[in-house]
Amino acid sequence: TQLLEQSPQFLSIQEGENLTVYCNSSSVFSSLQWYRQEPGEGPVLLVTVVTGGEVKKLKRLTFQFGDARKDSSLHITAAQPGDTGLYLCAGARNDYKLSFGAGTTVTVRA
Amino acid sequence: DTAVSQTPKYLVTQMGNDKSIKCEQNLGHDTMYWYKQDSKKFLKIMFSYNNKELIINETVPNRFSPKSPDKAHLNLHINSLELGDSAVYFCASSHNDRGRGAEAFFGQGTRLTVV
Repeated sequence: TQLLEQSPQFLSIQEGENLTVYCNSSSVFSSLQWYRQEPGEGPVLLVTVVTGGEVKKLKRLTFQFGDARKDSSLHITAAQPGDTGLYLCAGARNDYKLSFGAGTTVTVRA
Repeated sequence: DTAVSQTPKYLVTQMGNDKSIKCEQNLGHDTMYWYKQDSKKFLKIMFSYNNKELIINETVPNRFSPKSPDKAHLNLHINSLELGDSAVYFCASSHNDRGRGAEAFFGQGTRLTVV
């Protein structure tokens, strides 16, 4: 049983469209992180959210941490082919252990 | 400069063999990890070391033995390889930041194929 459920599992959109990826859990996390992984590479950290209700923006990417610190979302505005990849959320409940969601594969068609 | 480097990148071996994967980080982090990513891309933690001390061991068969000679290195040795061990293995490292959790920096992965 996974601690973090990500949805959708797959997402294919046209360049210029918006998309949202969700990460949900029944557990409370001290922080939540989003990573992007490209084929043949390791995951790369995009952002960490720590405070309930926190919203962080990274260019066209907006990350939100739920008020209860159990869920998070990633919104991409005007998606580009370079946004294609596997997006992973990961929750930390102590200092050392991250629990990952199953990932959302995003494909942005030119 | 590569922050977290692991070797080899690809490993093809027969069932029953013993193999090792090496990992080194030059980020000055105290904590290192081994993760396994299966064919469905699910990342699961296997082990974590903090300053050479084992702190996480997640129900991994004892055929898998991590070794940390110093805090910059964490190697993974696998005995008697089985078909089900085929996966991509990632090494990672992080600071111990109580405010932000274990923000992990990953290596490029080792794709292990057992035939």
